[in-house]
Amino acid sequence: AQSVAQPEDQVNVAEGNPLTVKCTYSVSGNPYPFWYVQYPNRGLQFLLKYITGDNLVKGSYGFEAEFNKSQTSFHLKKPSALVSDSALYFCAVRAAGGSYIPTFGRGTSLIVHP
Amino acid sequence: DGGITQSPKYLFRKEGQNVTLSCEQNLNHDAMYWYRQDPGQGLRLIYYSQIVNDFQKGDIAEGYSVSREKKESFPLTVTSAQKNPTAFYLCASSEGQGRTEAFFGQGTRLTVV
Repeated sequence: AQSVAQPEDQVNVAEGNPLTVKCTYSVSGNPYPFWYVQYPNRGLQFLLKYITGDNLVKGSYGFEAEFNKSQTSFHLKKPSALVSDSALYFCAVRAAGGSYIPTFGRGTSLIVHP
Repeated sequence: DGGITQSPKYLFRKEGQNVTLSCEQNLNHDAMYWYRQDPGQGLRLIYYSQIVNDFQKGDIAEGYSVSREKKESFPLTVTSAQKNPTAFYLCASSEGQGRTEAFFGQGTRLTVV
C-alpha cells in the first residue's frame, strides 16, 4: 500500500524568509508526487508535480519542490514567504504500475507571520 | 469552463436520514473519487471509480454508497448507517492512469443536527 507522510502539523515562518514543507512517500512502482494547497472551506488546488527530468520542479505562486528519489522525498519550498501563502498544504502521490489512486498526507498548516 | 462541481455547499442531516451529495465533472475524466476530510486527519478515501458502472470501496466506505451511471456524475449517499457523518466531503476527478493531477470540487460541508 502506498503512503504519504508529512511530519509537521504546522510550519511557522516570518514573511520574507524561505519556507520548507516536508513530504516523504512510499509506493510500489515509479512515484508521481504532487503538492496541493487548500484555503478554508475550499477544495484543493494543484500547485506542482514531478514527472521526470529536473529534480527541482517549479510551480504556481513561486513555489518549487525538490524530488529526491533515494530519500523518497518531495519537499515543498519557496525562497521568500508571503503572508498570503498561509494555508493548508497537502502532499500526494500516484504510482505508475501500482495504484493510480491519489494518496494524500495529513496536511501541513503553513503560517506566515508579518 | 471545464471543472468539477459539487452541490450543495452546505448540507444538514437529521439523525436517521439519508442524504446525497452531488458531484459533476465536464473534464472527460475516467476516474472519480470521494474523500472525507476531518481536522488533523487529512483526506481519507471513501469510494472511487475508474469507469462508468464500476466503483470500488476505499478505506472508509462503511455507511456510504455511490453510483456511476454516467461518466460525468458520481453522487455520494451518506446513509443512516454512518454514525459520525459530520465532515467536509471532497469530490475529485483525474485521468485514469498516468502522471496527471486530480481536480477537486469546492467541497460539501455536512452537519448532523
